[in-house]
Amino acid sequence: EAQVTQNPRYLITVTGKKLTVTCSQNMNHEYMSWYRQDPGLGLRQIYYSMNVEVTDKGDVPEGYKVSRKEKRNFPLILESPSPNQTSLYFCASSLTGTDSYEQYFGPGTRLTVT
Amino acid sequence: AQSVTQLGSHVSVSEGALVLLRCNYSSSVPPYLFWYVQYPNQGLQLLLKYTTGATLVKGINGFEAEFKKSETSFHLTKPSAHMSDAAEYFCAVSVDSGYSTLTFGKGTMLLVSP
Repeated sequence: EAQVTQNPRYLITVTGKKLTVTCSQNMNHEYMSWYRQDPGLGLRQIYYSMNVEVTDKGDVPEGYKVSRKEKRNFPLILESPSPNQTSLYFCASSLTGTDSYEQYFGPGTRLTVT
Repeated sequence: AQSVTQLGSHVSVSEGALVLLRCNYSSSVPPYLFWYVQYPNQGLQLLLKYTTGATLVKGINGFEAEFKKSETSFHLTKPSAHMSDAAEYFCAVSVDSGYSTLTFGKGTMLLVSP
């Protein structure tokens, strides 16, 4: 089954404790992206990657890191989480090129930072 | 840069009534437009998309949307609401840049009453 998976689905942590949220897709997509969803703000892009070893900042990159060492994986790293990073996070992937217009979303990771 | 405005953070309808969710966009180049639906505690699912060609687009679950360039709109409609349509709906825009970076609206919560 074609899908985007994220782990963990729920995470409660404390300020300053490094964490990683994993994202993996099995559709051989070149493009992957991370979004955060906050009430009243919709989804905002954090980082995206057009292919292996190619990443770039989205609209709200501060406090986050990403890496793309393999095509299927795109982990989101919070080196020193803060309470304002409490949010619902989504990973997405898509093809690039002329048929690139649909993104497939993972189920989301709800992060709480206390 | 592109942007999306969704009019109304909440829309309430009765079961069987017309559903109309409004979306206006701004884009300096011809846009690609999407509607996504998010059911409670789930990720985003593509409802429909406009890329090129016919301006009236039909999607899943009986939804459709019409691209009106002169009005810069892409409103979502369904003739008869069902209880199962209760969800949050997001309009999104992309540009033909070879990869599908999406800019989302803030979302509209659709409430359906018996």
